[in-house]
This record gives sequence, C-alpha cells and structure tokens, in this order.
Amino acid sequence: DTGVSQDPRHKITKRGQNVTFRCDPISEHNRLYWYRQTLGQGPEFLTYFQNEAQLEKSRLLSDRFSAERPKGSFSTLEIQRTEQGDSAMYLCASSLVVSGYEQYFGPGTRLTVT
Amino acid sequence: AQSVTQLGSHVSVSEGALVLLRCNYSSSVPPYLFWYVQYPNQGLQLLLKYTSAATLVKGINGFEAEFKKSETSFHLTKPSAHMSDAAEYFCAVSAGGGSQGNLIFGKGTKLSVKP
Repeated sequence: DTGVSQDPRHKITKRGQNVTFRCDPISEHNRLYWYRQTLGQGPEFLTYFQNEAQLEKSRLLSDRFSAERPKGSFSTLEIQRTEQGDSAMYLCASSLVVSGYEQYFGPGTRLTVT
Repeated sequence: AQSVTQLGSHVSVSEGALVLLRCNYSSSVPPYLFWYVQYPNQGLQLLLKYTSAATLVKGINGFEAEFKKSETSFHLTKPSAHMSDAAEYFCAVSAGGGSQGNLIFGKGTKLSVKP
C-alpha cells in the first residue's frame, strides 16, 4: 500500500492558462474524491468517482473545472482559463465503499495563479 | 443538509497538558464523523472515525473522541500534549452508509503546544 499520490506537488501558472493535476489512489480503492482547500478553510468537496463513473459533479466550481477517471484507476482534474481565485490546494482522496467511508488523502497539489 | 462547527480556530496548550478540540455537527441522517490532522503543506491524515458503533472512539497517537448524540458533539481529546501534536485539526461529517460519502469539513483548529 503506497498511499494516494498526486502530481505535481506545486504548480505556478499564469492567468488564462490551463492546468491539469493527476491523482493515483490506493490501488484497491473504488472511490476517488477531489477537494479544494483555500487558506484558513477546511477542504471543500468538488466531485467524486466510483470506479470510472463520475457520480457527483454539481459541486465543481464552474464549467472551467472538469475531472476524469478513464479506466477507474488514476484521475485528472483540469482547470481551464485559470483565474487568480483558483489559487488553492487541490486534494485527492480515495476510499472503499464498504470501509465506513474513511478517506485517505494525498499530499495535495498547490496551485498558484499569477 | 450537514454541517460542522469547530469552536476555536486556535488552541494553545502546554506540553503535557490536556488537549480538547471541540466539534459540533448538524445532520438530518445518522452521521459518520471523522477527525483528521494536517501538518503544514501536507495532506490530511485520519486520526479516528465514528460509524455508529462504540460512542467512545480511540485513534492514533493517543487521541480519542466521544460521540454524544444529545449534544450533537464529537470532541477530540488527548490526555497529555506532545510537541509533535502541533498541527491543524479538522472535524468532518458524512451522511453515512449508502450515501456518496463526501466529507463536509469544519474550518479547522490550529493546535499550538508550548514547551
């Protein structure tokens, strides 16, 4: 069990550019979640997958945000036309449906939009 | 709808003193409750969870929490603080079994430990 990994750990981009983050969950976990955390706040739920199906995406912050999990393994979160307000930590977590919903978090990707 | 309120954004204790971090929740269904710890520039680590079994839950690093339905509380305690406990702590609630399982977090409490 290598834990949840995220890449990159840090990303600096200019306003208007597109960015993509990757999350590799714990291998046997069938649920994958994305959260955003801004300074001084707790994580905020964005979307989640069960296997390859995206079962909730209404919490994505705008239509500039999209996520995929094409083969039910790793996932990507893309932000198009970044804005300064998108600067935050993006966290990925995974879980097993039958484990009591405890989620295991990756180290996060810190995005800075200049 | 569910929500979490953490009382006190910053708590300071002396090394060896009792740690008490407060969490109150609101949930229209039986909740699952969690405490996570976050060290600077890192992800969240699960400390403990309540999923409708025993109301007193023991976690890692000597922490424990008690689920009190009548008070809608899930406070985190540790008898004796250690310097390594200095971090930010988050309480979270989910809608429990059969739900999509996403967590609703409080705003966090930053714990400082004085030597």
